[in-house]
Amino acid sequence: SAVISQKPSRDICQRGTSLTIQCQVDSQVTMMFWYRQQPGQSLTLIATANQGSEATYESGFVIDKFPISRPNLTFSTLTVSNMSPEDSSIYLCSVDRLTDTQYFGPGTRLTVL
Amino acid sequence: QKEVEQNSGPLSVPEGAIASLNCTYSDRGSQSFFWYRQYSGKSPELIMSIYSNGDKEDGRFTAQLNKASQYVSLLIRDSQPSDSATYLCAVTLLNYGGSQGNLIFGKGTKLSVKP
Repeated sequence: SAVISQKPSRDICQRGTSLTIQCQVDSQVTMMFWYRQQPGQSLTLIATANQGSEATYESGFVIDKFPISRPNLTFSTLTVSNMSPEDSSIYLCSVDRLTDTQYFGPGTRLTVL
Repeated sequence: QKEVEQNSGPLSVPEGAIASLNCTYSDRGSQSFFWYRQYSGKSPELIMSIYSNGDKEDGRFTAQLNKASQYVSLLIRDSQPSDSATYLCAVTLLNYGGSQGNLIFGKGTKLSVKP
């Protein structure tokens, strides 16, 4: 597995502001992913963060709303921009270490007022 | 639309019983299958992965895969109250139009083990 940390663990934000979530891994990984889990729902992939290239976004998610950085093989950030209450979710990063197996960070619980 | 279906539950079993969790998937090209456990307020934790037809055992957990029926299950033997959680089935799809390594998650089955 991998030791994955996320910051912040939770935050309460005002509508129209932006929040940047950090994901740090204890060793180099090729693939890092960002998921959203809305209240009572399962996980939905937002994008794949590739080191040295642009992130790949899933249908329904756009770079202007969820810009992602991946400056090296152990770190990534996800920004939730111009937030609305509908963005209230848990945001999770995950890493792929072996054979499509993904391990998740502890998550960031975001509440937008 | 690629789908992974699970009964949302709650599934309630007495302590010591076998809990059986089921999952079906829509894409015959699916390659890899995973069970995650998620406690309330926590992130998903990988329990089992399975890639070929048949059974795979790890302690009290057994994953079963039947690609012909597009069905994967998780058995938990000697269920304990600490097993009470939501169990998420996840599948990676062949030639999925999104990102490489994309996991498609079911909505999860909530398991309650009663002492």
